[in-house]
Amino acid sequence: EDQVTQSPEALRLQEGESSSLNCSYTVSGLRGLFWYRQDPGKGPEFLFTLYSAGEEKEKERLKATLTKKESFLHITAPKPEDSATYLCAVQQTGANNLFFGTGTRLTVIP
Amino acid sequence: SAVISQKPSRDICQRGTSLTIQCQVDSQVTMMFWYRQQPGQSLTLIATANQGSEATYESGFVIDKFPISRPNLTFSTLTVSNMSPEDSSIYLCSVVWGEAFFGQGTRLTVV
Repeated sequence: EDQVTQSPEALRLQEGESSSLNCSYTVSGLRGLFWYRQDPGKGPEFLFTLYSAGEEKEKERLKATLTKKESFLHITAPKPEDSATYLCAVQQTGANNLFFGTGTRLTVIP
Repeated sequence: SAVISQKPSRDICQRGTSLTIQCQVDSQVTMMFWYRQQPGQSLTLIATANQGSEATYESGFVIDKFPISRPNLTFSTLTVSNMSPEDSSIYLCSVVWGEAFFGQGTRLTVV
């Protein structure tokens, strides 16, 4: 059975304090691993897709990496506007839907 | 990317009533997905809606409770029937256009 575990559940950072969010996954045949950002009252906003171990993608202060068992979302010098819940999801080979983790709620304090 | 319009954005409903949520996409897509996000939880897939055929429901979700329509390639509705407080959640529609894109969600509160 597909499983996605995100840690920590919640993270408070001072502005400028870099850190990483973890997403551990178990899936029979990974087509892709996805990172989303979700602000309160809104739908998830797409950030990255990673397809194979060793792949990395960057966008502004965010960098996502992938191994065969987990993915990390690194946040460098975060700002208060980075505060949100970050969701990780996997897509199984041959499937169209995504299987989501429970998310990490990030708060960046000025 | 795909732009998804979902409405209503929120509603407060009496138990025992039904609510229909609409999802409009700016591009033609084969599949549309309906997810539920309960308070403090992540997204759980309710069903996949294909145009011209019956929706496919995930384990724990049934058509009588969550009937879905898919009249064309850009539109779908999800009805939450005979609501109880346990149905209070955010309901999201999604399409895959390269990546998965989501509507803004419908925040449903059942009192």
